Amino acid sequence: EAGVVQSPRYKIIEKKQPVAFWCNPISGHNTLYWYRQNLGQGPELLIRYENEEAVDDSQLPKDRFSAERLKGVDSTLKIQPAELGDSAVYLCASSLSWGITDTQYFGPGTRLTVL
Amino acid sequence: DQQVKQNSPSLSVQEGRISILNCDYTNSMFDYFLWYKKYPAEGPTFLISISSIKDKNEDGRFTVFLNKSAKHLSLHIVPSQPGDSAVYFCAASDSNTGKLIFGQGTTLQVKP
Repeated sequence: EAGVVQSPRYKIIEKKQPVAFWCNPISGHNTLYWYRQNLGQGPELLIRYENEEAVDDSQLPKDRFSAERLKGVDSTLKIQPAELGDSAVYLCASSLSWGITDTQYFGPGTRLTVL
Repeated sequence: DQQVKQNSPSLSVQEGRISILNCDYTNSMFDYFLWYKKYPAEGPTFLISISSIKDKNEDGRFTVFLNKSAKHLSLHIVPSQPGDSAVYFCAASDSNTGKLIFGQGTTLQVKP
């Protein structure tokens, strides 16, 4: 069974440019998460989707970040415009459903460098 | 406000010996705890978990211990193998939010 797929794996952009990350979760997983991992830190949740509905986006910087999960399958996270402090690894994860015992499976992440 | 802390950035052990990774938390509402392992250029993978109603959970070479009064959990790997070399993240969640809060990670190196 294929795992969580993310693209691109690496992205280098100049500040003020837009960037987008794509995620395809494990088939059948209703819950999708976007995390940001800064250097030397653990992942931090940005947004959680239940099917196509964003149910927890309290940590998403809404002035420049947006996300969507059309049709409740794959998802896109966008930053516009990017700032130097956005350099990080952006991880997508999915789980069968939402619950503390539902294992979250992570993709390999997209490493973003903003120059 | 770091609710989950892994105070040791790195740990080095000899192959065959025990590895002990530690994690402390501050939120008494946390009732489920997990350990994830991460290799370079890969996403974290689930390793083992424990509910707050237990104080120990074992899976092969991996055992997690939970001390609720001290708000402390630890991961024991016995015996350690070179393939265990990775970054280990402790994470915690509570039943209300279900949100995973991760520690900063500990890099384990197992020397042959």
